[in-house]
Amino acid sequence: TQLLEQSPQFLSIQEGENLTVYCNSSSVFSSLQWYRQEPGEGPVLLVTVVTGGEVKKLKRLTFQFGDARKDSSLHITAAQPGDTGLYLCAGGERFNKFYFGSGTKLNVKP
Amino acid sequence: ETGVTQTPRHLVMGMTNKKSLKCEQHLGHNAMYWYKQSAKKPLELMFVYNFKEQTENNSVPSRFSPECPNSSHLFLHLHTLQPEDSALYLCASSHTSGIEADTQYFGPGTRLTVL
Repeated sequence: TQLLEQSPQFLSIQEGENLTVYCNSSSVFSSLQWYRQEPGEGPVLLVTVVTGGEVKKLKRLTFQFGDARKDSSLHITAAQPGDTGLYLCAGGERFNKFYFGSGTKLNVKP
Repeated sequence: ETGVTQTPRHLVMGMTNKKSLKCEQHLGHNAMYWYKQSAKKPLELMFVYNFKEQTENNSVPSRFSPECPNSSHLFLHLHTLQPEDSALYLCASSHTSGIEADTQYFGPGTRLTVL
């Protein structure tokens, strides 16, 4: 059984602070996605990474895929209240199988 | 906004009712998925359809019955549900090569409450 572990589970910070959340697995994935989900809504895709060691930047968000394609991190610079939400990582493998972590719930206080 | 719509957004039903959830994607994808999201648990994959054919049933109880009449539409028929089935049900779609997993796009979900 595939298992993606996300840490921390909860994070409450002040506006302007930096943070990093992690997504770890003992399994290798062909791709890894990061999503943000707001209460009562579906997850919204932020980024997909497919190459070991890949780094992608999306404004203040930096995503990294581990060299061995087993883990990933999401770094947010100068967090804003609009970044508040549940951050989910999902590992994809062959034949459209996806495995989700349980998420990091981020609260950015003004 | 993501091109995947779900109806209804909220549903309350008794344990003896029969209801259906609907999902439609406007992205030209050929794979569709049903997920269950319960409090404090990871998203659970329920069913996968590739080119209208079911390719994954993740040990889902028979009181959940999926239907995929074409690549753009996906239904989840519900009957004799239990209170523990209350959850957010999410539909997603993606391209598929049949080999590698492609990025999924999610709908807004249906919040289901079983009384």
